[in-house]
Amino acid sequence: DSGVTQTPKHLITATGQRVTLRCSPRSGDLSVYWYQQSLDQGLQFLIQYYNGEERAKGNILERFSAQQFPDLHSELNLSSLELGDSALYFCASSSPGRWIGELFFGEGSRLTVL
Amino acid sequence: SQQGEEDPQALSIQEGENATMNCSYKTSINNLQWYRQNSGRGLVHLILIRSNEREKHSGRLRVTLDTSKKSSSLLITASRAADTASYFCATPTMNYGGSQGNLIFGKGTKLSVKP
Repeated sequence: DSGVTQTPKHLITATGQRVTLRCSPRSGDLSVYWYQQSLDQGLQFLIQYYNGEERAKGNILERFSAQQFPDLHSELNLSSLELGDSALYFCASSSPGRWIGELFFGEGSRLTVL
Repeated sequence: SQQGEEDPQALSIQEGENATMNCSYKTSINNLQWYRQNSGRGLVHLILIRSNEREKHSGRLRVTLDTSKKSSSLLITASRAADTASYFCATPTMNYGGSQGNLIFGKGTKLSVKP
């Protein structure tokens, strides 16, 4: 158990819909990262938050947004969903520090868009 | 964009054999990490090697790092069926202003260990 909790584990929805994925980081970790894993694109970094502030953006679509709340949990919002958004979405957290060390991953949220 | 690229993409061996996976990266790094992912599950950290280290061991795992060639290798000795998984190397980035960045992952090596 990594200590990172993601909900829901599975989600099936239709094109055009909007979903919210939730992540609770390990106790004490200030950084939260979102990754998307699909068969064709591999593991893609989406966005990073540190103590409530956005720190870095990767390959995140404009239809996607995220935030980190004062209690440090994070939500990833995916809107106007397309078939190609079907993927595993991972949240990870890390301890504070200048250079990133070990990332602790949740078990992921598997999104299926029909 | 991918920073690390693993080689081979897939590897099939018998139990008891050694498995070697390679990773190449492009930019200067502070550390390089290896992760394991069982099918459809979250990634699990295996080992971190710092840029001033050349070799590191953890149980049946041995990692080497050659910063001059920008490459790393992961060796799993005496493999077991339970080692069947995908293995990823990952390298860190640093954000503008020197704040902690994220990890960039390669596409992974899919290891199959047959009993």
